[in-house]
Amino acid sequence: GAGVSQSPRYKVAKRGQDVALRCDPISGHVSLFWYQQALGQGPEFLTYFQNEAQLDKSGLPSDRFFAERPEGSVSTLKIQRTQQEDSAVYLCASSPRREGLADPRTGELFFGEGSRLTVL
Amino acid sequence: QKEVEQDPGPLSVPEGAIVSLNCTYSNSAFQYFMWYRQYSRKGPELLMYTYSSGNKEDGRFTAQVDKSSKYISLFIRDSQPSDSATYLCAMRRGLSSASKIIFGSGTRLSIRP
Repeated sequence: GAGVSQSPRYKVAKRGQDVALRCDPISGHVSLFWYQQALGQGPEFLTYFQNEAQLDKSGLPSDRFFAERPEGSVSTLKIQRTQQEDSAVYLCASSPRREGLADPRTGELFFGEGSRLTVL
Repeated sequence: QKEVEQDPGPLSVPEGAIVSLNCTYSNSAFQYFMWYRQYSRKGPELLMYTYSSGNKEDGRFTAQVDKSSKYISLFIRDSQPSDSATYLCAMRRGLSSASKIIFGSGTRLSIRP
């Protein structure tokens, strides 16, 4: 399909396990974002890539969270030694880069359906 | 205090009613204001966007921004059951991808047939 694809859609992990969540952005989209959405909350920013460069990781809650996008396309969010408070939906979004244009839609984020992580 | 505040609802109205959804914010640097719609178990999708203060209309939807009051609204006319979803307000300071989009917590809306 032409949209952002995330896998797995659902993941159950035992506390202490490592997990890896994958994001396939829309082809040609330079920017990629990871957001965390807890139950009943809005998405919270985690990290941002422009091509393969991670330009902002200020939202990562701890050093157990690590994200990469080695070839500037697919991205992986890794969570080490998962804790119960990590349970959330992890949303990936991509955006085309058209800086300099006035149309705010150039900043539109296209979201995937998310990976729902449950830590027992 | 969160940068963006939004009443979580839930809000339940009969089909055909006018719906008003609102957010307040604290950061006067926000210039771009958006409403995203999120259906259950789906990712958010952009519904409306506005720049600075003013109104914008798109079909049954009207977005309003009052920067002086740091208050934004989304109105839905002739509401339909298919409008039942969570509505997230969102805002950003600039246009570059490096300018983070900050979301409200979302208002869950249910339209009763």
